Amino acid sequence: GNSVTQMEGPVTLSEEAFLTINCTYTATGYPSLFWYVQYPGEGLQLLLKATKADDKGSNKGFEATYRKETTSFHLEKGSVQVSDSAVYFCALRGSGNTGKLIFGQGTTLQVKP
Amino acid sequence: GAVVSQHPSWVICKSGTSVKIECRSLDFQATTMFWYRQFPKQSLMLMATSNEGSKATYEQGVEKDKFLINHASLTLSTLTVTSAHPEDSSFYICSARGGAGPSPLHFGNGTRLTVT
Repeated sequence: GNSVTQMEGPVTLSEEAFLTINCTYTATGYPSLFWYVQYPGEGLQLLLKATKADDKGSNKGFEATYRKETTSFHLEKGSVQVSDSAVYFCALRGSGNTGKLIFGQGTTLQVKP
Repeated sequence: GAVVSQHPSWVICKSGTSVKIECRSLDFQATTMFWYRQFPKQSLMLMATSNEGSKATYEQGVEKDKFLINHASLTLSTLTVTSAHPEDSSFYICSARGGAGPSPLHFGNGTRLTVT
């Protein structure tokens, strides 16, 4: 079945450091890929998405490229801020368009000033 | 943007009692709602999919008689944890979408259930 694997956290960085959170997936067909962010005490928010191979999703300085050849969707940001501290979830939605999302285990990011 | 309201945000109940969690779409009609469960430091696990006016579809391993889901209107779905036990303590999150196909999902803020 479909699955998503994320790098384990927590990831601790200093402000303005470069961020990479790895995400790989297993799926049949052509899934859509997502990154969600959960700030402390809040619900999940969509950060970015990509719906087909080689698409790059971007938002708020974060980027991720849908790599079918490596089945990856790594999240990157060139310069993190303290306000980026949150839990990040990689997710996929299968090509059946049922709307069901399969989530990775989440990666906690802590950015220190 | 679209808002999904989940209530209560936290609840403590005694073992053996039932707890109802509400999930409302505030500014759109949610044809489909999803219920997730999140264990500490773990991922969100899909429990069930509910479509307005029909029975919920449960994921494998989820007890439908224990986790009752009702989606009686286009703006409200409820999850009732029946005869709760300490092992049901968890964070429950709902999400909703307004249409079929690539319609975006909107998440509630979650409900922290603690069963004593």
